Amino acid sequence: KNEVEQSPQNLTAQEGEFITINCSYSVGISALHWLQQHPGGGIVSLFMLSSGKKKHGRLIATINIQEKHSSLHITASHPRDSAVYICAVSGDMNYGGSQGNLIFGKGTKLSVKP
Amino acid sequence: EAGVTQFPSHSVIEKGQTVTLRCDPISGHDNLYWYRRVMGKEIKFLLHFVKESKQDESGMPNNRFLAERTGGTYSTLKVQPAELEDSGVYFCASSPTSGEQYFGPGTRLTVT
Repeated sequence: KNEVEQSPQNLTAQEGEFITINCSYSVGISALHWLQQHPGGGIVSLFMLSSGKKKHGRLIATINIQEKHSSLHITASHPRDSAVYICAVSGDMNYGGSQGNLIFGKGTKLSVKP
Repeated sequence: EAGVTQFPSHSVIEKGQTVTLRCDPISGHDNLYWYRRVMGKEIKFLLHFVKESKQDESGMPNNRFLAERTGGTYSTLKVQPAELEDSGVYFCASSPTSGEQYFGPGTRLTVT
């Protein structure tokens, strides 16, 4: 079992739909990151959070530290949102490894149809 | 401000050959990370530099991989000799602190 699990693995939505991608992790963390990777493209950081909720445009990320769970929401989805969304965590002091190195989920491939 | 750049974008080599990947971080970023995604798997950490020092190289798969960051600026990752299982996409990221990381576009390595 991976230390970071994402669901669903694949997601197809119609334009305008509200989308939720989930991430669960099993290690102590200092921060959780949501990343976006477009086909053939590099990786872009969307959010870094350690508590509560963050919003940027149509994207919202929440985290529940007690439940070790985070969600990424996309409101009013658009075909240009089609990408792979990756959840990654930075382990805390107890985890070991250097501060900042990331543990990744396998990603959620989102396809938004017009 | 220029982002993280990586060179080459794609490399195809034969098993047993040597390949060197380069990463230029954002200027002023002391932290530099190398990651790798092999086909069908999640991205995995390889190593972390703070300036020119290796802070953590626990993710390096074996001694065929050698990373350097001379002068604390750009970094190279050499694979010698390359094996088929080394194929994948190698990402570099940099950050000024241990916070948000800025990723490069990746180098796709194909070993035949």
